[in-house]
Amino acid sequence: DQQVKQNSPSLSVQEGRISILNCDYTNSMFDYFLWYKKYPAEGPTFLISISSIKDKNEDGRFTVFLNKSAKHLSLHIVPSQPGDSAVYFCAARDTGRRALTFGSGTRLQVQP
Amino acid sequence: EPEVTQTPSHQVTQMGQEVILRCVPISNHLYFYWYRQILGQKVEFLVSFYNNEISEKSEIFDDQFSVERPDGSNFTLKIRSTKLEDSAMYFCASRASSGANGELFFGEGSRLTVL
Repeated sequence: DQQVKQNSPSLSVQEGRISILNCDYTNSMFDYFLWYKKYPAEGPTFLISISSIKDKNEDGRFTVFLNKSAKHLSLHIVPSQPGDSAVYFCAARDTGRRALTFGSGTRLQVQP
Repeated sequence: EPEVTQTPSHQVTQMGQEVILRCVPISNHLYFYWYRQILGQKVEFLVSFYNNEISEKSEIFDDQFSVERPDGSNFTLKIRSTKLEDSAMYFCASRASSGANGELFFGEGSRLTVL
């Protein structure tokens, strides 16, 4: 039961360009969404989050957009840097739980 | 910067053996979690722990699994009789906020290999 889906397993962009990572969800009870970055042999690191009452949240080079009607969110990284190369996980929390449901991840490769 | 620490970083065990994975959450955090990631798959929730009891658990967290906070700092995950399919990276996480929001802080993980 894939409640959080990241349909692109990998993405490659040039340094300085925009990276757009997408995430779709099916559970309408999700009210809080997070993006985590993960390097090999490390734990996930929190990047940015958004509440369902908002449609955009920005933090430096990272912006998350939420389209509730489409049950879709995206993470924009501008400009992309080689150090951004990692696996990015979308995660969501529903109102009745504290646990996060993760997507399967998208591996981002930023080419110098 | 405070961080979640996990030991061991890698453990190899024989099928049927008991394994204990240890975690030291961030000191002022109130909520503790275990997640796992089987190689090539998504990060999966196992269990959450608050106020010295399990607050939520997934279908994965069956009778072979248990968690404990034996003292004020450690949070452990025990697998009583390991199976081959328990081989995974196990992540401990903690969270401060008692509200709905508040991100999880993850440790670097403990890799468990069951032979």
